[in-house]
Amino acid sequence: SQKIEQNSEALNIQEGKTATLTCNYTNYSPAYLQWYRQDPGRGPVFLLLIRENEKEKRKERLKVTFDTTLKQSLFHITASQPADSATYLCALPYSGYALNFGKGTSLLVTP
Amino acid sequence: DAGITQSPRHKVTETGTPVTLRCHQTENHRYMYWYRQDPGHGLRLIHYSYGVKDTDKGEVSDGYSVSRSKTEDFLLTLESATSSQTSVYFCAISVGTSGSSTDTQYFGPGTRLTVL
Repeated sequence: SQKIEQNSEALNIQEGKTATLTCNYTNYSPAYLQWYRQDPGRGPVFLLLIRENEKEKRKERLKVTFDTTLKQSLFHITASQPADSATYLCALPYSGYALNFGKGTSLLVTP
Repeated sequence: DAGITQSPRHKVTETGTPVTLRCHQTENHRYMYWYRQDPGHGLRLIHYSYGVKDTDKGEVSDGYSVSRSKTEDFLLTLESATSSQTSVYFCAISVGTSGSSTDTQYFGPGTRLTVL
């Protein structure tokens, strides 16, 4: 069955450093991958979509890579700030009309 | 929030009672989804709809039914609530013309349901 794995352990980093989160998947050949941010008590918010022919995509301080050979996506936040503290979810296509989400990785940025 | 509201926002009910959660959108999007989110399981798809009266099952549909009689409303019903259905329920819409999974999803604020 299709499986998405994100590091379940929280990632703690110091303000100003680069945070790197990992999304691994198995039994998938996705043409796309999405990343979302979720704050406590709120619904997920879309951040970035990367296609299989795009090795890397950037948006402000965010960078996503997509390696279809390794079946892995890396999500980077450069110059991290305490406001970046949240849970980050990766999502892959499900049945053509929906998304299958990973369990998310919690990021804590300390001053 | 892309014009998505959920009601109620919080509900406590007893085992065996029926419960209906409502998702309302104001922007006439075709695709709507219900997810539940639980610690250790993440977001899991319950049901989704690709048009009025057109719905399909997701990963965890047992014990749930849905209805969509109008474009703007997508209802999730627990016919006989059980304690295992205690969860946070999120509604989402897919924004885009194709409706494929490449489209961005926007989520409502969630409903916290407790079944005693």
